[in-house]
Amino acid sequence: TQLLEQSPQFLSIQEGENLTVYCNSSSVFSSLQWYRQEPGEGPVLLVTVVTGGEVKKLKRLTFQFGDARKDSSLHITAAQPGDTGLYLCAGRLAYSGGSNYKLTFGKGTLLTVNP
Amino acid sequence: GAGVSQSPRYKVAKRGQDVALRCDPISGHVSLFWYQQALGQGPEFLTYFQNEAQLDKSGLPSDRFFAERPEGSVSTLKIQRTQQEDSAVYLCASSLDSNYGYTFGSGTRLTVV
Repeated sequence: TQLLEQSPQFLSIQEGENLTVYCNSSSVFSSLQWYRQEPGEGPVLLVTVVTGGEVKKLKRLTFQFGDARKDSSLHITAAQPGDTGLYLCAGRLAYSGGSNYKLTFGKGTLLTVNP
Repeated sequence: GAGVSQSPRYKVAKRGQDVALRCDPISGHVSLFWYQQALGQGPEFLTYFQNEAQLDKSGLPSDRFFAERPEGSVSTLKIQRTQQEDSAVYLCASSLDSNYGYTFGSGTRLTVV
């Protein structure tokens, strides 16, 4: 069973469209991060959210942490071809028994933005 | 260096061969992590170092996998007697502190034939 479930798994849209991807769990997280990974490269950190209900904006990207700290969403406004990539959410469990250094990743959402 | 450097970028190994993957973290980063990423999957935790101490190796798939960071800087992940199921991208990440976000290297793509 995957600790962090991401949906959709694949998303192909046209330039200029809006989209939302989701990251869900039945577990509580002390913090959650979003990364973007391009082919042949490692993931690159986009944002960290730590407070339930927190909303962070990064240009056209809006990240939200659920009130119960079990889920998160990433909304992209007016997507561009440069947004193409694998979007990964990753979290640190709130009750990790001392292993709060460990990031657990979802499988990712593969986004393709067509010109 | 400016980022996390991993070498080699690509490695093809014959089944049964031993391989060594190198990670050069950002200078001053105390925490170092190894992750394994299979095709179409998210990264899976392998092991964690704080300076030279390996504090968690619970993610290593078998005793054929061994990691070290003897001087608290460069780390090496060694896989003995490679098998086809070991084929994956091996990612190294470092962090100032275990509570910060990670900086990942570009990974080593290992293919076992």
